[in-house]
Amino acid sequence: TQLLEQSPQFLSIQEGENLTVYCNSSSVFSSLQWYRQEPGEGPVLLVTVVTGGEVKKLKRLTFQFGDARKDSSLHITAAQPGDTGLYLCAGAAGGSYIPTFGRGTSLIVHP
Amino acid sequence: EAGVAQSPRYKIIEKRQSVAFWCNPISGHATLYWYQQILGQGPKLLIQFQNNGVVDDSQLPKDRFSAERLKGVDSTLKIQPAKLEDSAVYLCASSELAHWNTQYFGPGTRLTVL
Repeated sequence: TQLLEQSPQFLSIQEGENLTVYCNSSSVFSSLQWYRQEPGEGPVLLVTVVTGGEVKKLKRLTFQFGDARKDSSLHITAAQPGDTGLYLCAGAAGGSYIPTFGRGTSLIVHP
Repeated sequence: EAGVAQSPRYKIIEKRQSVAFWCNPISGHATLYWYQQILGQGPKLLIQFQNNGVVDDSQLPKDRFSAERLKGVDSTLKIQPAKLEDSAVYLCASSELAHWNTQYFGPGTRLTVL
């Protein structure tokens, strides 16, 4: 059983479309991180959300942390081929310092 | 600032052979992580070090996997003997003690066990 469930697992869209990916858990997290991983490379941190209800923006990417700190979403506006990659959410449940990752959402943006 | 270094980048071995991976974290980072990432899945934590002590190794298959960080800097992960299901990318990451939830990853070592 995955502590962090990500959906959808795969997403294939055309350039210019909008999309949202989700990261859900039954556990409370002190913070959640979103990473992007490109083929042959390690994950790269995009953002950390800490406060319930928090919204952070990174250019065309909008990250939201749920009020109860059990879920998060990533919305991409006007997707571009450069957004292609595996999007991973991660966090440590409760008061733990031991991180866990979701399975990821594999995004392909076609020109 | 140099990133997390890992070597080798690729390794192909036969089952029952041994293999070792090396990681050099970002200078000054007290916490070092080893992850296993099987194709199509997210990284799974194998072991977490803080300096040269183990914070968590609950998901490390200790009958065949071992890891050490003797001087609290670089680290090695060993598999002995390897099984087919060990084929994966092995990622090393590091973080500062005060910002443990911000991890910097190396490029990984892709292991293929035949």
